Amino acid sequence: KNEVEQSPQNLTAQEGEFITINCSYSVGISALHWLQQHPGGGIVSLFMLSSGKKKHGRLIATINIQEKHSSLHITASHPRDSAVYICAVWVHYGGSQGNLIFGKGTKLSVKP
Amino acid sequence: DTGVSQDPRHKITKRGQNVTFRCDPISEHNRLYWYRQTLGQGPEFLTYFQNEAQLEKSRLLSDRFSAERPKGSFSTLEIQRTEQGDSAMYLCASRAVVTEAFFGQGTRLTVV
Repeated sequence: KNEVEQSPQNLTAQEGEFITINCSYSVGISALHWLQQHPGGGIVSLFMLSSGKKKHGRLIATINIQEKHSSLHITASHPRDSAVYICAVWVHYGGSQGNLIFGKGTKLSVKP
Repeated sequence: DTGVSQDPRHKITKRGQNVTFRCDPISEHNRLYWYRQTLGQGPEFLTYFQNEAQLEKSRLLSDRFSAERPKGSFSTLEIQRTEQGDSAMYLCASRAVVTEAFFGQGTRLTVV
């Protein structure tokens, strides 16, 4: 079982729909990233959060530390939101300084 | 542009050749990470530097791989005697102590 699980793996939506992507993790973390990756490579950090909720434009991220669960919501989705969304958590193993453990990503396609 | 930059963006090499990639982090970030991402998968941790010290190495980093960060600024990742299985996107990220991670555009390696 992966330490970071995302669902769904693939998601197709119509423009304007409300979208939710879920992330569950099984390890202790210090913070969680939601990342966006467009075809051809680069990764952009959308949010880093360790508690509560953050909002940026049409994007909202929430985290429940007790339940080890986070969600990324996109309101009024648009075709330009089509990308892979990746959940990643900062973990510390023993004396480790910590590194990011990634989920496999959710491929979102928003149709006009 | 003061983001994380990686060079080259693309590299095609013949099996058995050596390749070297460079990452220039955000200047005030003392932590630098290397990840490898294969098609359809989330990135996997390779190694991590704090300033010039290499603090962690994944078991994915075989003895053909070496990374350096000689002056605590830019970093290089070298792969010796490349194999077809090394074909992947190599991502670099940097962060300060408690900030979010910022990612480069990645170097896509194709071994033919």
